[in-house]
Amino acid sequence: EPEVTQTPSHQVTQMGQEVILRCVPISNHLYFYWYRQILGQKVEFLVSFYNNEISEKSEIFDDQFSVERPDGSNFTLKIRSTKLEDSAMYFCASSDDPAGTGETQYFGPGTRLLVL
Amino acid sequence: DAKTTQPNSMESNEEEPVHLPCNHSTISGTDYIHWYRQLPSQGPEYVIHGLTSNVNNRMASLAIAEDRKSSTLILHRATLRDAAVYYCILSGGGSNYKLTFGKGTLLTVNP
Repeated sequence: EPEVTQTPSHQVTQMGQEVILRCVPISNHLYFYWYRQILGQKVEFLVSFYNNEISEKSEIFDDQFSVERPDGSNFTLKIRSTKLEDSAMYFCASSDDPAGTGETQYFGPGTRLLVL
Repeated sequence: DAKTTQPNSMESNEEEPVHLPCNHSTISGTDYIHWYRQLPSQGPEYVIHGLTSNVNNRMASLAIAEDRKSSTLILHRATLRDAAVYYCILSGGGSNYKLTFGKGTLLTVNP
């Protein structure tokens, strides 16, 4: 069964450093998302991406964050200058039909980011 | 975003059916009702979704009230692997593609 993959599974970085989280969505999907979950809290939407542009972003997704689909398979989330409060699990998701028969998103296993 | 209300936690015994309720009294006509679950230390996993009619798949059944103001996720025979947080989420068509997660229901399955 096709699945969303994410790398790395864990990343430790120093405050102020840039990090890039990578995702390989399911191959025929066209809609891509990033969510995050701070330890013990709810899963929060960050950004959605379609047709090489951002469809929607949350208040969390400020100028420090960016997304990119550099080739036909990868989808990346970049945090330019990490802060302590960016420590969280980051989930990538993809979908092939968000407005047809309902929003079915397939999530990756996540990248646990720890900012020291 | 239309809001859902779920119990914080529920408990079940292995191999017994589980009915997980969700209230969504402010649901709009275009909102789909989605259920996802999150097993410990994993990403959310799609379970089932529906619009008006009851739905069945290999994982679960979804029973939707006639007025659509509530729904119930039914696990027919709970297993230990079903222990997870279950999220009931409303997601409309059109341009609103994001999923808004609440706190969900923590399901504990006893052996």
